[in-house]
Amino acid sequence: DAKTTQPPSMDCAEGRAANLPCNHSTISGNEYVYWYRQIHSQGPQYIIHGLKNNETNEMASLIITEDRKSSTLILPHATLRDTAVYYCIVNQAGTALIFGKGTTLSVSS
Amino acid sequence: ETGVTQSPTHLIKTRGQQVTLRCSSQSGHNTVSWYQQALGQGPQFIFQYYREEENGRGNFPPRFSGLQFPNYSSELNVNALELDDSALYLCASSLLGRGVVGYTFGSGTRLTVV
Repeated sequence: DAKTTQPPSMDCAEGRAANLPCNHSTISGNEYVYWYRQIHSQGPQYIIHGLKNNETNEMASLIITEDRKSSTLILPHATLRDTAVYYCIVNQAGTALIFGKGTTLSVSS
Repeated sequence: ETGVTQSPTHLIKTRGQQVTLRCSSQSGHNTVSWYQQALGQGPQFIFQYYREEENGRGNFPPRFSGLQFPNYSSELNVNALELDDSALYLCASSLLGRGVVGYTFGSGTRLTVV
């Protein structure tokens, strides 16, 4: 079973920041937080990952709380193309990804 | 840098038949995983291969089997197809042993069992 809890859906206006929360209260010390997204009928796309520090790349920022029990994925300026299902996953590096139901993000103009 | 490619993109089979799905990993990757995604669900882990050996398996019966070849391409074989095997099958590759990296997924093979 997935070790994360995410809201089933969220809405965001185009151009605004999208903040997607994830709870992972049972995360172990050697487990990373990964985020993937899946646009309809395509394979999942890797977005970002982190262990305990906040991370940023060209796609998004990942904020992990100090106790590591929750995190937030931030898309700074959401576009219509960011409409997708977003999956938060915790696992040890190199092991299988266990997907939950994810959050369906709908970006509208 | 090439991505992960899967073939075929779509396939229709009859219940009881056998099917082989193929995957070419991203260049430089040494690990390949297979996932099954039913309609409206998240992907479910089938198994993973690292250097041609299975090194992890999900809750799938033995009629789901796989191979990884020296060039890191891979096959997923499913015997005695059942109607519930209808799904999108995803292949993902990664590089183990060189730090922490994400998995690169292919676009999948849509299998329909009738």
